[in-house]
Amino acid sequence: QKEVEQNSGPLSVPEGAIASLNCTYSDRGSQSFFWYRQYSGKSPELIMFIYSNGDKEDGRFTAQLNKASQYVSLLIRDSQPSDSATYLCAVNRFRGAQKLVFGQGTRLTINP
Amino acid sequence: GAVVSQHPSWVICKSGTSVKIECRSLDFQATTMFWYRQFPKQSLMLMATSNEGSKATYEQGVEKDKFLINHASLTLSTLTVTSAHPEDSSFYICSAREATGLGNQPQHFGDGTRLSIL
Repeated sequence: QKEVEQNSGPLSVPEGAIASLNCTYSDRGSQSFFWYRQYSGKSPELIMFIYSNGDKEDGRFTAQLNKASQYVSLLIRDSQPSDSATYLCAVNRFRGAQKLVFGQGTRLTINP
Repeated sequence: GAVVSQHPSWVICKSGTSVKIECRSLDFQATTMFWYRQFPKQSLMLMATSNEGSKATYEQGVEKDKFLINHASLTLSTLTVTSAHPEDSSFYICSAREATGLGNQPQHFGDGTRLSIL
């Protein structure tokens, strides 16, 4: 079992709809969770981070964390073609851990 | 805020050349920086964790004599690919984490360096 799993996609969503990206992790002691967006040929860009159970909203983005289910998701409301990218889920396994564990990424395409 | 600058952005050189890549945190101090490599259509692969003032920690399978890392200050880490060969061609990306003492801070990425060895 991979430490951090994502559906590689591609996930196609019509413009204006809600895109839902999911991630599961295997280490129950994981402390913090990050979503990065990576455009083709570019480096990752931080979108959201979440530490506590529940929802965290920032503009059109909402991160959701359920530690009991070891599940974290990213919702993108009013999807735009510019949201088309690969979204990487990353997990910091324990407090003080330096490195992140990345999922394989989900490729998202927003169709005009 | 939290800007990480990486230089150069693109390198093309002959086999056997050594290449140095710089990673700078511009508006924050970073006790820890990270070096990743990414091949086409694959996810990030962590190569090493770089701590200011100490030796880097390399991931399994990464040759420390091949990939030399120096983190001499709180804002600068360098990766030197020694005697590069075509199989070293890849996209190298650094990241830095803010030294706030709170732990669990996000990593912020540089723009990456595309290395092509002929």
